[in-house]
Amino acid sequence: DTGVSQNPRHKITKRGQNVTFRCDPISEHNRLYWYRQTLGQGPEFLTYFQNEAQLEKSRLLSDRFSAERPKGSFSTLEIQRTEQGDSAMYLCASSYRTVGAGELFFGEGSRLTVL
Amino acid sequence: GQQLNQSPQSMFIQEGEDVSMNCTSSSIFNTWLWYKQDPGEGPVLLIALYKAGELTSNGRLTAQFGITRKDSFLNISASIPSDVGIYFCAGPGFGNEKLTFGTGTRLTIIP
Repeated sequence: DTGVSQNPRHKITKRGQNVTFRCDPISEHNRLYWYRQTLGQGPEFLTYFQNEAQLEKSRLLSDRFSAERPKGSFSTLEIQRTEQGDSAMYLCASSYRTVGAGELFFGEGSRLTVL
Repeated sequence: GQQLNQSPQSMFIQEGEDVSMNCTSSSIFNTWLWYKQDPGEGPVLLIALYKAGELTSNGRLTAQFGITRKDSFLNISASIPSDVGIYFCAGPGFGNEKLTFGTGTRLTIIP
C-alpha cells in the first residue's frame, strides 16, 4: 500500500501522559499536513510542512503540541501533558501541489482517547 | 475566519433516491473540494472545482461551483449503500496552505 500511513491507529492514555503519532506520507509528496477532528466536526488544520520546514501553524497548536519532519519524509506529532480535551482523531495528509491546486491525500488517522 | 456551513446536517434516504446537499461560505473561495469520510477513515476526495460556474461529474456524483464563489452543491444520483458516510466541502485559504472544512452532511440509507 503506497498511501499515507499513520501509527498508531488508536491510543488510549491517562491525562498528563505524553503521546506521539507518526505519519508516513506518499513518498513523492513534499507537502505534509496535520489536522485534528473531533466527533461530529470537520477536520481542523493544525500545521503544514514543505519538505522539512514547518511553514504554518494554527492557533490550535498549543505549546504542548510539537510537530517535526526531520528529513522531509515522515513526520511526528507529539502532545505533552495530555488533557481530556485533546481526545480526537489526528489526521495526516500529504500532497505534491498546493491545496488550492490539488487534493490532499489523507491517512486513516490516529484516534486519541485521554482518560 | 472562514466558515463553511453545510446543509442538511443529516439525510435519511432510501436506496435509489437522488441526494442534494450544499455548502455556503461567508467569504469567496477560488477552489471548492468535496470529500467523503467513512467511519474510522480519513476523508477521500470526490470532486474538485476550480472555476466559478463549473459543473463537474464523477460517476453518479455531480458538483457545481456557485457563480458567487460563496457556495457549492453536490448531487448524488441513484444512491447505493456504499454512499453512506459523511460528506464535507472544503476550500483553501488565501495565501496559505490551510484547508477549511465544512460542518459535514451525514448520509444514511434506510433499508
